[in-house]
Amino acid sequence: RKEVEQDPGPFNVPEGATVAFNCTYSNSASQSFFWYRQDCRKEPKLLMSVYSSGNEDGRFTAQLNRASQYISLLIRDSKLSDSATYLCVVKTNYKLSFGAGTTVTVRA
Amino acid sequence: GAGVSQSPSNKVTEKGKDVELRCDPISGHTALYWYRQRLGQGLEFLIYFQGNSAPDKSGLPSDRFSAERTGESVSTLTIQRTQQEDSAVYLCASSLQAGMNTEAFFGQGTRLTVV
Repeated sequence: RKEVEQDPGPFNVPEGATVAFNCTYSNSASQSFFWYRQDCRKEPKLLMSVYSSGNEDGRFTAQLNRASQYISLLIRDSKLSDSATYLCVVKTNYKLSFGAGTTVTVRA
Repeated sequence: GAGVSQSPSNKVTEKGKDVELRCDPISGHTALYWYRQRLGQGLEFLIYFQGNSAPDKSGLPSDRFSAERTGESVSTLTIQRTQQEDSAVYLCASSLQAGMNTEAFFGQGTRLTVV
């Protein structure tokens, strides 16, 4: 079983729509969780950390469910610029494990 | 510079040649990671450094791959006798420490093409 699994998508949504997707992780000892964004042929960049109580950053909301070992990301009022691959990242001790990414395409 | 710097940005090499990829992490970042990303694929962990030590080399795909870090700064990933399947983007990341909730910052990667 992979350490981090994501629905690859693609999620094709119109501008203004809400899109949400999950990621599951296998190691219950994992301590920290992040969402990164990767644009085509670019390096990954941190979108947001995921805290136990859930957190928002503008149009983005992240949730963590430790019991079920999944993390979610919700994007409200999608913009064309939100088109990217979203990487779920789980830190266990020092090691960062990446999901393969969920592709989101926002269309006009 | 303020960010993680990798060089070269692109490298084309002939099969069987050795290559060296360099990573300059953000100053003061003690943790350094190397990942590989094949075209259309996810990130594959290669090796992790804490200071100059590599507690986890488990991701290195074969003994043709090696890495070192000196001065708790620059790291070099060396691939000997390159093969076509080594073609990928090699990404380096650094973080302030390996502890919880410390984000990692990535360099722009080295795109390696083995012909």
